[in-house]
Amino acid sequence: DAGVIQSPRHEVTEMGQEVTLRCKPISGHNSLFWYRQTMMRGLELLIYFNNNVPIDDSGMPEDRFSAKMPNASFSTLKIQPSEPRDSAVYFCASSLRFQSRASGYTFGSGTRLTVV
Amino acid sequence: TQLLEQSPQFLSIQEGENLTVYCNSSSVFSSLQWYRQEPGEGPVLLVTVVTGGEVKKLKRLTFQFGDARKDSSLHITAAQPGDTGLYLCAGPSGNTPLVFGKGTRLSVIA
Repeated sequence: DAGVIQSPRHEVTEMGQEVTLRCKPISGHNSLFWYRQTMMRGLELLIYFNNNVPIDDSGMPEDRFSAKMPNASFSTLKIQPSEPRDSAVYFCASSLRFQSRASGYTFGSGTRLTVV
Repeated sequence: TQLLEQSPQFLSIQEGENLTVYCNSSSVFSSLQWYRQEPGEGPVLLVTVVTGGEVKKLKRLTFQFGDARKDSSLHITAAQPGDTGLYLCAGPSGNTPLVFGKGTRLSVIA
């Protein structure tokens, strides 16, 4: 398996533009997570899905953020409109079954978003 | 939300030295995981500890879970430049996904 695949790796956009980040989880993993990483706040959970169903989006900072998982092999995180404070590295991770104490997360390489 | 505090935040040492980094919480965790993150990449799972007092070894890395399951430590023996990276501890908050500490950024100088 190629692991968790995220695209694009880097995104530079102007304030007010729509940004879409993409993720392909590991085949067979039932749980998918979107995290955001900044120096100040570390890794923060934005939203997670279990069997393609959004379970908790309380970490999504504002209504400008939305996420979908139309099938088991694809998820998107969209920001519309984007703002400079959204600049961060966004990670997608998947897990076989996150409720299991022994289930580790496999992370993608991240998307570095810069909003100017 | 259960919080994980990691210390030190930054550590710079010479190749061959030993070091210990810590992960502490006021809450009990059912398990803790350690990840290493290299620049430009996502975190990679190193180990999971699930039993209070458990010790796990991964080559020169030794992980310990506290007896009360509120803390964990990572000890590296004879550090090498390849150990450089951000070390993150993480644990489940109840029945929800992992919460992460802010990490210890380790630099091993040759």
